Parts: sequence; C-alpha cells; structure tokens
Amino acid sequence: QKEVEQDPGPLSVPEGAIVSLNCTYSNSAFQYFMWYRQYSRKGPELLMYTYSSGNKEDGRFTAQVDKSSKYISLFIRDSQPSDSATYLCAMSVPGGSYIPTFGRGTSLIVHP
Amino acid sequence: SQTIHQWPATLVQPVGSPLSLECTVEGTSNPNLYWYRQAAGRGLQLLFYSIGIDQISSEVPQNLSASRPQDRQFILSSKKLLLSDSGFYLCAWSPTRGEKLFFGSGTQLSVL
Repeated sequence: QKEVEQDPGPLSVPEGAIVSLNCTYSNSAFQYFMWYRQYSRKGPELLMYTYSSGNKEDGRFTAQVDKSSKYISLFIRDSQPSDSATYLCAMSVPGGSYIPTFGRGTSLIVHP
Repeated sequence: SQTIHQWPATLVQPVGSPLSLECTVEGTSNPNLYWYRQAAGRGLQLLFYSIGIDQISSEVPQNLSASRPQDRQFILSSKKLLLSDSGFYLCAWSPTRGEKLFFGSGTQLSVL
C-alpha cells in the first residue's frame, strides 16, 4: 500500500460544477497537508495548506482534513476552465522527514 | 518576498553530453533545497535534497549529481546524459522541515 493514494483521473466536469479532489493516506503521524496546482509544463503552485484536522477556505477553494478516516479533500466551487490542471496532494510529519510525501496528482478538466 | 529561479526552461541535449541545471532562491537564508524529476503523466520523483551547504542527500542512484556551492544555489549535473534522463526537472525550496515546498518553473529536458 502506498503511503498516499490519489486517483490520477482525468476528472472531467462542466464549467460551474463543484469539484471534489481526494487523497487517502496510511501514516497517522501526518499533520501538515498541502494541495498544489500544476499547469502543463509548469512547476506546482502551493494552493492550500492546513495543519491537523478541519477545514480551510480560500475563495472558491476549501481544503478539508479528516484524520480519523485518513482522508483529505479539496473542493472547488464554481469551477472554471482556468482550473483545468493537475492537483497534487502532499503531507508531512512535524519535525519528521525533510521530504513531504506527494500523491501522484489528479488531472482535472473543466469544459465550457 | 521569496522567489525561486530555475533555468533554462527548455533544453535539448545529445546522449553523452554533460548537463548543468541551476536553481537559485532569493529573499531567504538557509533554505532546504530539492531537485525532483517528473516523467510525463507520472508523479514527482525526488532526486536530491539539501539542508545546508555540503549537506546533500541522494534519494535515487542514477546518472546525476547535485551540488550546493552557495547557501541559496542548487545545481543538478550529469557528466554523460542518457536517453532515460529525459523529463521535467523541478527545483524547490522549503523554509522548514518537510512542509510548504515552493517550486521553480521547471526545465523540460529532452535527451536525443
């Protein structure tokens, strides 16, 4: 079992839809959770960062962490074609490794 | 504010030629530095990371090497490129242990 599992997709949705992107993990010590957005041939951009459990909202984006289920989600409201990208989750242990564990990324396509 | 510079954006090199990719970070001191490779449709593969000058860890045995001649400079090198070295190379930095990596814009390397 991989430490972080993420469905590669592609996930295709119509413009305006609510998108749910998810990752599951096995290491209960993870406390830092990150979401990155990567456009084609560009470097990943840090989109959301949360510590421990709960929700965090930033504009149309909401990051949710459920530590009891070892499950994190990124919700995108009112999705736009410009949201089409690959979304990677990442997580790490406080004071642990210098290397966060990344998911493989989910490709999202928002069509007009 | 902190910025990361990575160049070149695109590189086409013949098999057996040398390689040097450079990455610099501005606006911070003693960053943790990382080199990743991303094959098409694949996840991020960590190649090297460095927590300080002359402190470089290699994650994957390969045809590549890394050096950190200055605090905010990280260089990825090869003496003789192989076809399998083709890919998208990403430099990243982090202010703290294992969280919030910030990526450069990437270098698309094609070895022919």
